Formats: sequence, structure tokens, C-alpha cells
Amino acid sequence: DAKTTQPPSMDCAEGRAANLPCNHSTISGNEYVYWYRQIHSQGPQYIIHGLKNNETNEMASLIITEDRKSSTLILPHATLRDTAVYYCIVRPAYSGNTGKLIFGQGTTLQVKP
Amino acid sequence: DVKVTQSSRYLVKRTGEKVFLECVQDMDHENMFWYRQDPGLGLRLIYFSYDVKMKEKGDIPEGYSVSREKKERFSLILESASTNQTSMYLCASRTVGTNTEAFFGQGTRLTVV
Repeated sequence: DAKTTQPPSMDCAEGRAANLPCNHSTISGNEYVYWYRQIHSQGPQYIIHGLKNNETNEMASLIITEDRKSSTLILPHATLRDTAVYYCIVRPAYSGNTGKLIFGQGTTLQVKP
Repeated sequence: DVKVTQSSRYLVKRTGEKVFLECVQDMDHENMFWYRQDPGLGLRLIYFSYDVKMKEKGDIPEGYSVSREKKERFSLILESASTNQTSMYLCASRTVGTNTEAFFGQGTRLTVV
């Protein structure tokens, strides 16, 4: 799996958009970008994933650059409950007997009132 | 809802003890994972099992072993616990397929004294 680079921490004001960047310059053509988050004292939770087009669901939006070497997770209206560690990972679409799931250090997002 | 259950939320063991951490999932997932999480180091993969009796080492397998005798259960074993194995341990499971997400347990905070 390709490695990712994320800033260790970010702050965001409550109600504003939180934009979390991720670099994955060695991503290969069949690898997807996945985002998970981990709220304090809980296990990580899936947020969203994408290949090359922008994606949106009820939790967030994912913007992937045209060269696919970086992406941004957007929480459009951050709330205090969005304070968490956010992990960006890349992995092949198909998970089978080679599907190790490798996490990095993630970005700690602090949403402030 | 998928449920990944770790047998203990908190555990205190003595140095040199043999420790078993148990993880059970109820969705017939083929893949299961054990991670440890330490401040500043993110989630690090210890072992991965892609099916019953099948396992692969992760990034930090030293000092650990695993057992997967049944599909729903993945055990992490510390043969002789040491203080540097004090950590949060997280189990996850995932079905085989395209763009499948991983589901995590709540974690076991192990303290070795």
C-alpha cells in the first residue's frame, strides 16, 4: 500500500468548513483513497473513499487532484463532535488475501467554539 | 449493524504473563486485523488474517502471535508480556470484495506492570 502524509494537527472554528489535506504521491492506478476518523476512546470509523472523481456523502466531501497525488477531506460545517483524529490511507479496490490496511499517524482536528 | 467486539475494555497484567486479547465479529468477514495505538505513532498493524488459519505479519509483529481457528474470532497473544507492550489494542474486520470498509472494535487498553 502507498504511504500517505498528513499534517499532525489542525484547528477549525465551529460552523466553518474543515479542510484536511493528504499527500499520496506514490499512489498507483488501482489504488483508492480512503478516509477514517477516530473519536476519542472509540475505534476508527469509515468516512468516505474515492478513486479520481470527487465524492460526497452525508458525512463529508472528498476532493482528489487530477494527478491523484493528493486529496482533501472537507467537513462542510464542522461541529465540536467532529473533533477527532482523521486518517487518510490508500489501498487497492479489491481486498483479499493481500489487503493489509496500513494507517499513518493521521491529523488531529480540534474544532473550537 | 456490524459488530466487532473486543473481550476487555481495560486490562492490567504483570510482566512475564501470557496475555490473550480476543476479538469477535458477527458479519462473517474474511479479513481481520490487530493494531496497536500509541501517542504520536498512530495505528500500527501487528498482524493480519485473511481467512481461517491464515495470517500475515504486519509492521510490528515482534513479541506477538495470533490465532484464527474460527472465522469469527481472532486472538492476539502476548507470550510474555513486557512493559513496552502497554498500549491501546484495536481489532478490525472486513469482508473480501471491492471497496469494502473496515469495522473496528472499541479497543482494549492494556497496561503491563
